[in-house]
Amino acid sequence: ETGVTQTPRHLVMGMTNKKSLKCEQHLGHNAMYWYKQSAKKPLELMFVYNFKEQTENNSVPSRFSPECPNSSHLFLHLHTLQPEDSALYLCASSQAGTADTGELFFGEGSRLTVL
Amino acid sequence: QKEVEQNSGPLSVPEGAIASLNCTYSDRVSQSFFWYRQYSGKSPELIMSIYSNGDKEDGRFTAQLNKASQYVSLLIRDSQPSDSATYLCAVRDSSASKIIFGSGTRLSIRP
Repeated sequence: ETGVTQTPRHLVMGMTNKKSLKCEQHLGHNAMYWYKQSAKKPLELMFVYNFKEQTENNSVPSRFSPECPNSSHLFLHLHTLQPEDSALYLCASSQAGTADTGELFFGEGSRLTVL
Repeated sequence: QKEVEQNSGPLSVPEGAIASLNCTYSDRVSQSFFWYRQYSGKSPELIMSIYSNGDKEDGRFTAQLNKASQYVSLLIRDSQPSDSATYLCAVRDSSASKIIFGSGTRLSIRP
């Protein structure tokens, strides 16, 4: 138990569906991240939120839409995805600001399959 | 493009021996370096962070950083079968906004 919870753990969707991934952290952190992990590729940073404000969008296609309503919750809204978007989507949190160490704490991930 | 490079392995080490994992990075002014362990089917777990040149020890793990050579390594002493996993090297870039990961080295400890 890392203190970062992701739901759903597994998701299968068609290319025309709309779904959302949810992440919640119980660590009191104020930075949250979405990473994509595909087979045989490095973890790819998608989005970063610091104090609820988006500070990084790593050239992610608009079919992925993040939302961060507060420092504890992060969503990734998915629509019109492609089969190549099938991957493990990992949420992470860290402490930003004066206590920032850069250390990331990951959730267990949401395994997405796009048919 | 800032990069973090690791040998993908697999690296096979006998039980009880020292496992040595290496990583190089391209951003010369990076300040923060991390090692994560990822078991198959699980998410990455932080095992070491290092911020200054030299060695940092934590139990059986030692991280080594050489900023002049842009090189960071992880030594695992007295390797156990439970150490078998993929080890990810991560570097925070100079803007401090991104943490960039290598593709990982798969380590196998053979009994």
